[in-house]
Amino acid sequence: DADVTQTPRNRITKTGKRIMLECSQTKGHDRMYWYRQDPGLGLQLIYYSFDVKDINKGEISDGYSVSRQAQAKFSLSLESAIPNQTALYFCATSDHLGGYTFGSGTRLTVV
Amino acid sequence: AQRVTQPEKLLSVFKGAPVELKCNYSYSGSPELFWYVQYSRQRLQLLLRHISRESIKGFTADLNKGETSFHLKKPFAQEEDSAMYYCARSTNNAGNMLTFGGGTRLMVKP
Repeated sequence: DADVTQTPRNRITKTGKRIMLECSQTKGHDRMYWYRQDPGLGLQLIYYSFDVKDINKGEISDGYSVSRQAQAKFSLSLESAIPNQTALYFCATSDHLGGYTFGSGTRLTVV
Repeated sequence: AQRVTQPEKLLSVFKGAPVELKCNYSYSGSPELFWYVQYSRQRLQLLLRHISRESIKGFTADLNKGETSFHLKKPFAQEEDSAMYYCARSTNNAGNMLTFGGGTRLMVKP
């Protein structure tokens, strides 16, 4: 069973639409993250949360928002999707020592 | 800004050849360094971290503070080593968040 589960795995959406990507974890970690992966750019941090009531912007938060509904759930929303948000999105959790566990990723295409 | 640089986007070697994937980091305090690997159609997973000084799947990495490098090495590459490799460093804040490099795709040819 996956420790970190992302849904959906793939999504195609139209420009201007609102979309939510969901992430749940069974690791019991307090810390959760959303990254996007683009070829040649590696992983860029969008938002992170160290606790249920803690939300922090990452490097590229513009155009995104998040919600930490519970310790185990951290969702990412694109309020009005645009084509340059087409990417592979990863959710991750970590312990206090920095060891990350990643989800399988959500491939998002905005047309 | 804390940066991680992986100068090679693609590294292609033949099976049995030595492999070195380069990683340089910006100097700031005493970071922890990591290597993550992403095999085709799989999630990223931790390969090794410098603090544990382990050898995983034949890979090793030595932290060189003088050169601010953490290159990943394997003496004899195998075809199953073909994957994306990401170097990462902790950000030195209380959260120990990671900053990732741009990644290197390793292709091991038969």
